[in-house]
Amino acid sequence: SQTIHQWPATLVQPVGSPLSLECTVEGTSNPNLYWYRQAAGRGLQLLFYSVGIGQISSEVPQNLSASRPQDRQFILSSKKLLLSDSGFYLCAWSGPFGGQETQYFGPGTRLLVL
Amino acid sequence: EDQVTQSPEALRLQEGESSSLNCSYTVSGLRGLFWYRQDPGKGPEFLFTLYSAGEEKEKERLKATLTKKESFLHITAPKPEDSATYLCAVRDNFNKFYFGSGTKLNVKP
Repeated sequence: SQTIHQWPATLVQPVGSPLSLECTVEGTSNPNLYWYRQAAGRGLQLLFYSVGIGQISSEVPQNLSASRPQDRQFILSSKKLLLSDSGFYLCAWSGPFGGQETQYFGPGTRLLVL
Repeated sequence: EDQVTQSPEALRLQEGESSSLNCSYTVSGLRGLFWYRQDPGKGPEFLFTLYSAGEEKEKERLKATLTKKESFLHITAPKPEDSATYLCAVRDNFNKFYFGSGTKLNVKP
């Protein structure tokens, strides 16, 4: 069966510091990968999605970036965090287009920027 | 523009009091409508996928239905452990997912 991991689970960072959040998927190959942010009491905002290694699409222009160095690894980064970057970050995977359509989520990372 | 609207934003029920949550959508070619349950501080947990109007799926006290414009999540005789936020999402012809803001359900014993 497929499993999706995220770490760290929680993170407190000062404004202006760098960020690296990691997501890995097990039990599937060539998944589509997604990064979402969820503000308190709000819906999910799609940040990035990837259909393959090195292929990243950005949905929202901001100071965040994403990379996919391996088939089942997705990384969310920032060089300098802003207060507005605080939130709950969720990684998700789905099957390749035309395959498993459902999107499955990881446990999330709670980020607090002070 | 593709969008998903969920109502109500919050719902309080007594244990055993059945009700329905609504998800209305506009999308360029529906490639699936998805229901998720999200507990506080956790990632959304997949419940159902519906693909075409008239389709229904059931799981324990939950039943999801789909029309051409909306989906309903029916909760029959809910229990306190059904308390959570329920999210609806659609996938369009361009393989993008759009999420609603969710319905926060509170079931009191």
